Amino acid sequence: DVKVTQSSRYLVKRTGEKVFLECVQDMDHENMFWYRQDPGLGLRLIYFSYDVKMKEKGDIPEGYSVSREKKERFSLILESASTNQTSMYLCASTSGGAYNEQFFGPGTRLTVL
Amino acid sequence: SQQGEEDPQALSIQEGENATMNCSYKTSINNLQWYRQNSGRGLVHLILIRSNEREKHSGRLRVTLDTSKKSSSLLITASRAADTASYFCATGSGAGSYQLTFGKGTKLSVIP
Repeated sequence: DVKVTQSSRYLVKRTGEKVFLECVQDMDHENMFWYRQDPGLGLRLIYFSYDVKMKEKGDIPEGYSVSREKKERFSLILESASTNQTSMYLCASTSGGAYNEQFFGPGTRLTVL
Repeated sequence: SQQGEEDPQALSIQEGENATMNCSYKTSINNLQWYRQNSGRGLVHLILIRSNEREKHSGRLRVTLDTSKKSSSLLITASRAADTASYFCATGSGAGSYQLTFGKGTKLSVIP
């Protein structure tokens, strides 16, 4: 059974803290994505990676960075968390090819106080 | 930038009825996908339709695609309480990019 796991389901952090969200997939997928989901705004792409050590900005990269040192792991980093980064964060992965579905993790609900 | 826009934003029906959700998009695509999200969880892929296809079925799901109108619809027949969830359309432009652009979703409530 294919799986994408995220390190935490719920996380509470303070403003200014450095926050790490981890995502691991066991499907040997080349492509991994980080989205944030907010009410009324749907899913918005933050960053994606198409190979180890490769990354591309999505639609809303400001305030975030990413790291992909191993194929199965894609980390999202909030360098200095702010209250407007309170959100649901979703990780996804997909294999190469233009007609492939994305597999999602269960999400991390982050609250920044 | 948002590509797909679902309509309606929310839909409430009785168990056993059919549910229809629509998705419109703006630019050329090579495929359109539908996903389901149960409350507070990740998204689950339901069905993919390619741009050269007009209709596709999977169990109680029927998806249509009209590229001339840049629109798609998802029909769930004989709905069940377990179908209560948010449904998202996502468009892929192909051409070597594996990104999908998601809409804002339709929240479906199926009343037992």
